[in-house]
Amino acid sequence: NAGVTQTPKFQVLKTGQSMTLQCAQDMNHEYMSWYRQDPGMGLRLIHYSVGAGITDQGEVPNGYNVSRSTTEDFPLRLLSAAPSQTSVYFCASRQGQGGSYEQYFGPGTRLTVT
Amino acid sequence: DQQVKQNSPSLSVQEGRISILNCDYTNSMFDYFLWYKKYPAEGPTFLISISSIKDKNEDGRFTVFLNKSAKHLSLHIVPSQPGDSAVYFCAAPSFGNEKLTFGTGTRLTIIP
Repeated sequence: NAGVTQTPKFQVLKTGQSMTLQCAQDMNHEYMSWYRQDPGMGLRLIHYSVGAGITDQGEVPNGYNVSRSTTEDFPLRLLSAAPSQTSVYFCASRQGQGGSYEQYFGPGTRLTVT
Repeated sequence: DQQVKQNSPSLSVQEGRISILNCDYTNSMFDYFLWYKKYPAEGPTFLISISSIKDKNEDGRFTVFLNKSAKHLSLHIVPSQPGDSAVYFCAAPSFGNEKLTFGTGTRLTIIP
């Protein structure tokens, strides 16, 4: 199993550009989430999904869109990048309701917006 | 509203001694807690967890203690090793269990 994979590893965008961060998992997990990590702020939840076709907002959803058309994939879209979105982004997955609470994280995408 | 708090951003401990990392929470509905470890340029990895029906859980060198009345948990690492140098996050599942709320993290440095 590859676990949770994320692409790209690094990305530099100009203000106003859009892009999609890719996330895939091969563990047949129902739940998937996107977090951003900023210095002194810990991991903050952006969006999450409890199954294909179902998504919801986390703590910091503004400026981001998600969709979940399959169990495996959970892409994160930046609509119009802003310098405040410079961060490290982590995708995570876990078993669904009744399963372990443990989340498995991808290696992260480091995004810089200039 | 920071429901899970780690008030020490950093901690330095000599190799071989005990490392104690602390975490406080405000939401009395939390009934399960997890600790994650994160190395630079990697994603967080699960370390150890505890259910609110217990007050202690051990796994090798790692022990987590839970004090429900004080809404406080701590992670003890004994003996500390250089490979333990990392950022440690505590986390709790939300009431609906579909998401985790994380603390801000504590950077542990083990001094050889």
